[in-house]
Amino acid sequence: GDSVTQMEGPVTLSEEAFLTINCTYTATGYPSLFWYVQYPGEGLQLLLKATKADDKGSNKGFEATYRKETTSFHLEKGSVQVSDSAVYFCALSANFGNEKLTFGTGTRLTIIP
Amino acid sequence: DTAVSQTPKYLVTQMGNDKSIKCEQNLGHDTMYWYKQDSKKFLKIMFSYNNKELIINETVPNRFSPKSPDKAHLNLHINSLELGDSAVYFCASSQFERASYGYTFGSGTRLTVV
Repeated sequence: GDSVTQMEGPVTLSEEAFLTINCTYTATGYPSLFWYVQYPGEGLQLLLKATKADDKGSNKGFEATYRKETTSFHLEKGSVQVSDSAVYFCALSANFGNEKLTFGTGTRLTIIP
Repeated sequence: DTAVSQTPKYLVTQMGNDKSIKCEQNLGHDTMYWYKQDSKKFLKIMFSYNNKELIINETVPNRFSPKSPDKAHLNLHINSLELGDSAVYFCASSQFERASYGYTFGSGTRLTVV
């Protein structure tokens, strides 16, 4: 079945550091890929998405590129801020009419000033 | 206006009780979901309804019963609550066959069974 594997957390970085959170997936066909963010005490918010190979999703300085050859969708940001502290989830949707999102286990990110 | 709203936000109850969580969306979406997030933050789908019809029913104890009176509402009723039911439950919505658009999530209901 479909699955998403994320790098284990927690991740702690200093402000202005470069961020990479790795995500790889297993799916049949051509899934859509997503990054969601969950701030403390809140629900999940869509951060960015990509629907086909080589698409780059971007939002709030975060980027991720859909790499079909490596089945990856790594999240990057060039200079993180304290306000980026949250849990980040990689997810996929198989686009076959079965609309469920399959999530990775989440990566907790803490940015220290 | 809140797009996907859940009530209550917090729910503390004793083992063996029956409780309900309500969810409403005002986005005009036709598909709604319930997800369970455990203490390690892992998210797993429980149910999905499209236009009031059940389309996804993962391996969930039959003590959990979803009800969708219309496409804007999806409630979750839980009978005979157990300690292991303690979790955060998220409602979400999307437009069917538009999975690439992503979901909109509610802010969650933290259920604590004591």
